[in-house]
Order: sequence, then C-alpha cells, then structure tokens
Amino acid sequence: AQSVTQLDSQVPVFEEAPVELRCNYSSSVSVYLFWYVQYPNQGLQLLLKYLSGSTLVKGINGFEAEFNKSQTSFHLRKPSVHISDTAEYFCAVSETVAGSSNTGKLIFGQGTTLQVKP
Amino acid sequence: DVKVTQSSRYLVKRTGEKVFLECVQDMDHENMFWYRQDPGLGLRLIYFSYDVKMKEKGDIPEGYSVSREKKERFSLILESASTNQTSMYLCASSTFMGAAEQYFGPGTRLTVT
Repeated sequence: AQSVTQLDSQVPVFEEAPVELRCNYSSSVSVYLFWYVQYPNQGLQLLLKYLSGSTLVKGINGFEAEFNKSQTSFHLRKPSVHISDTAEYFCAVSETVAGSSNTGKLIFGQGTTLQVKP
Repeated sequence: DVKVTQSSRYLVKRTGEKVFLECVQDMDHENMFWYRQDPGLGLRLIYFSYDVKMKEKGDIPEGYSVSREKKERFSLILESASTNQTSMYLCASSTFMGAAEQYFGPGTRLTVT
C-alpha cells in the first residue's frame, strides 16, 4: 500500500531565508508525485508535479522539488521565502498503473505548516 | 479557469441531523472526490466517483454516502451527523488520467453540536 510521510509538522523560518519541506513516500509501483499548497481559509492548489523525465521540477511562486527514487523522497525547496508563503503544504502520491481502479486517486501526507517570520 | 464550488463555507448542524454537502465543477471532469481534512492527519479520502452514478469507497467511508446524478455535481451525505464528523470537507475534481491534477473547492467547515 502507498503511504506518504511529511517529516515536519511545522517549519518556522525567517523571511528571505531558504526552506526545505521534506516528503518521503512508499509504494510498490512507479508513482506520480505532487505538492499542493493551502493558504488560510482556502482550498488546495497545485504547486508542482513530477510525472517522468528530469528529476528537478519547477513550480509556481519560485518553488522547486527534486525526485530521488533511491531515497523515495520528493522534497520541496525555495531559496528565499516571503511572508506570503505562509501556508500549509501537502505532498501527495498517485500510482501510475494503467487501468488500476486507483487511477486518479491521491494519497496525501499529513501536511507541513510553513510559518514565515519577518 | 477551472472552478469547483461547494454549497457552504460554514455549516452548523445538530447530532442526528441528515446533512448534505454539495459540490459542483464546471470543467466536464470525469473524476470527483470528497476528502476530510483534520489537523495532523492531512486529507483522507471519503468517496470518489469516476463517472455518473459510479462511486467507490475511499479510506474512511463509514457514516457517509454519496450521490452523483449529473457529471458536474457530487454530493456528500451524512445520514445521521455525529460530533466526530466535525471537520473540514474538501471536494475535488480531475480528468480521468492518473497524472491529472486535482482541482479543489474552498472547503466546508462543518460543526456538529
């Protein structure tokens, strides 16, 4: 069975500092990987996704993530954060098995709250 | 822009009431999902639907049912609300592809007293 672990529930960081939000997954098959962001009182929106190809994926708002198959990780990074990046971030995984009844389903991690301080 | 709307942002119901949460998407998506979001637990899938009148149980279906009579609308039903169903409920939709992005509604914060 698939699972996703976000290793930090809260990450406090000062404005303009770099940040890394960690995500590890387990799966017996190949996966697609996603990062979503949830701003206060809003639904989730997609930051970036890894489907295949280059292991470094760039997303919106200056975020990027690196897929590491050997370590089964998909950590999210930003070189310089802003106050407006304060939000909850979710890592998610989807199976790639064609024809599976799980097609389109996502398994989410527990979430990481990024708190950017001035 | 893809739009997923949910009927209420905030809802307060009493224990034992029947509760309907409505979700509508305007992008002709095949897949629709209902999640429950609780602090420290992330999003957990309650039910999903990959076509009209088709539904499958997610990870936590107990106490819930769903209805999908039209492609754009997916309803979550709490047959007899209980206090442990107090939570944030999120609806999402996507095309019928494994790599497809899910688009989320703004959520309904349900309080059962």
